[in-house]
Amino acid sequence: DTEVTQTPKHLVMGMTNKKSLKCEQHMGHRAMYWYKQKAKKPPELMFVYSYEKLSINESVPSRFSPECPNSSLLNLHLHALQPEDSALYLCASSQMASTGYGYTFGSGTRLTVV
Amino acid sequence: AQSVTQLDSQVPVFEEAPVELRCNYSSSVSVYLFWYVQYPNQGLQLLLKYLSGSTLVKGINGFEAEFNKSQTSFHLRKPSVHISDTAEYFCAVCNNAGNMLTFGGGTRLMVKP
Repeated sequence: DTEVTQTPKHLVMGMTNKKSLKCEQHMGHRAMYWYKQKAKKPPELMFVYSYEKLSINESVPSRFSPECPNSSLLNLHLHALQPEDSALYLCASSQMASTGYGYTFGSGTRLTVV
Repeated sequence: AQSVTQLDSQVPVFEEAPVELRCNYSSSVSVYLFWYVQYPNQGLQLLLKYLSGSTLVKGINGFEAEFNKSQTSFHLRKPSVHISDTAEYFCAVCNNAGNMLTFGGGTRLMVKP
């Protein structure tokens, strides 16, 4: 299995809702990432998990809450989002010890906040 | 700190013509360099990567890139493009620790018939 799987592919939520984005990989990668991508912009790093521990938080608002239950799963819990949070959310994974393999990205969850 | 600059936001080109997408980076340490492609409404797919060794790197779909350390560049080339190459292309740099991938602003390649 050489894929990163993200669910759901599309999500519409209200500003008072609570929802979660899910990401799964079975490549044995020990680093997992959340990126946010606005239209016509490059992906921006949000969080980095290394060996299931949060290692980087790029000053993301607390309404985004990441969780890494095990080495294969990464969740992003959403609560009280704003319309400007609408974007494509990308999950990626990589082997920590060697960057030679690059990052493998999922196809993303397109989030719309209404 | 590291950064990536893609000099062209859009590159229009006719089918079967050659194309070059430009990328320059800056970093105080040695880095790894990547090119990713993103088709509409999809995630990012790795085209090619430079880690060390030969400065000419070949990737998928007939693309290649050349690492030039003195000019801190990593330009992407294809000798003959197809309509299906129409997409957004991102150059990226990764630090040695492997936990910080920084993207350039992207270049939209538009292949016309």
